[in-house]
Amino acid sequence: AQSVAQPEDQVNVAEGNPLTVKCTYSVSGNPYLFWYVQYPNRGLQFLLKYITGDNLVKGSYGFEAEFNKSQTSFHLKKPSALVSDSALYFCAVRGGTSYDKVIFGPGTSLSVIP
Amino acid sequence: GAVVSQHPSWVICKSGTSVKIECRSLDFQATTMFWYRQFPKQSLMLMATSNEGSKATYEQGVEKDKFLINHASLTLSTLTVTSAHPEDSSFYICSAKLSSGPTDTQYFGPGTRLTVL
Repeated sequence: AQSVAQPEDQVNVAEGNPLTVKCTYSVSGNPYLFWYVQYPNRGLQFLLKYITGDNLVKGSYGFEAEFNKSQTSFHLKKPSALVSDSALYFCAVRGGTSYDKVIFGPGTSLSVIP
Repeated sequence: GAVVSQHPSWVICKSGTSVKIECRSLDFQATTMFWYRQFPKQSLMLMATSNEGSKATYEQGVEKDKFLINHASLTLSTLTVTSAHPEDSSFYICSAKLSSGPTDTQYFGPGTRLTVL
């Protein structure tokens, strides 16, 4: 069965510091991995995805994520955090036997402190 | 590009009434649309997958007679919550994608906040 874990419910980082939001996954077959961000009372906004190719994926708003097959991880990173990055971040995976279902992680709340 | 809208953005209704939520892909044709439910501070729970012109596929535990889904065109899917009860109060989010392929990105609507009194 597919699953996604985001081990941290909450991540706090000072403005200007690098940030990392962790994600690990479990699928059979090749994974398709996604990151989304959700602001309060809003839908999800697509940040980036990994399908194949270069393990380092660059996305919107200066975010990037690194696919690590051996560690089954897809951590989201940004070199310098902004207060406006404070939001809820969801990692998602699709793969295995059911290609049309995306499984979402539980979410990580990011707070960037001025 | 790839904008998905939902209407209404919020709705309050009385217990026992039905509520319809619309999901539209504004600048692309969506072969597949999805309906999710999200409780406060929780992740998204997939309710059903909707393909244009065919019956929706519901996830286990989701009552298809209570949550009616219609995908009449490539740009519109509707979710009707029938005989709503307070426990149906939630944030409902739809998403759409261009094709049925596994690598296609899902684009999400802004969500609809349903409150049942």
